[in-house]
Amino acid sequence: EVVLTQSPATLSLSPGERATLSCRASHSVSSYLAWYQQKPGQAPRLLIYGASNRATGIPARFSGSGSGTDFSLTISSLEPEDFGVYYCQQRSSGWTFGQGTKVEIK
Amino acid sequence: EVQLLESGGGLVQPGESLRLSCAASGFTFSSYGMGWVRQAPGKGLEWVSAISGSGASTFYTDSVKGRFTISRDNPKNMLNLQMNSLRAEDTAKYYCAKESGFMEPFHYWGQGILVTVSS
Repeated sequence: EVVLTQSPATLSLSPGERATLSCRASHSVSSYLAWYQQKPGQAPRLLIYGASNRATGIPARFSGSGSGTDFSLTISSLEPEDFGVYYCQQRSSGWTFGQGTKVEIK
Repeated sequence: EVQLLESGGGLVQPGESLRLSCAASGFTFSSYGMGWVRQAPGKGLEWVSAISGSGASTFYTDSVKGRFTISRDNPKNMLNLQMNSLRAEDTAKYYCAKESGFMEPFHYWGQGILVTVSS
């Protein structure tokens, strides 16, 4: 089973700042890594798939990188609507989610 | 427009059964794998089960194997999750989700349905 470990657990930042979230896999998942955003009371929304491809309608300030076991999601300049919880998910061997990183307003 | 609408949730006692359904529209249902993902109150996302477009292949997380059964009715555009021998730890919001291709993540999600297992 592939275990995904996200860090940090919480990221406290101000609007306009850059956010960098990490996701580490226990085994290589090649580029089969996705990122989701979830806001309170809402379903998750796909942001990034294939490690670096933005999903339809996702702003260019969101970018993903990495392959193998180490991945990152970068939000270049935080907007107020970007605060929430972010999850990574692998699709290389079954389906696994990371435990999430909460991005909160500082 | 892709739409996924879950139904069938509610409050049940430990050991009882419940059947969730997900009505899909806006795409060729039989062409895509589908899955269920749950989220316990205040917790993260947990993948529960998945099924191929034809329904021939099914997959489960270890904690629900032997208790949950995923199925689909392609002519009716319906995804189902039969949940038996429910436990308190199955309490969660259950999301129906659509993949967009082989080994793709879940590109579309329903709004979720709450399942509460409590005596």
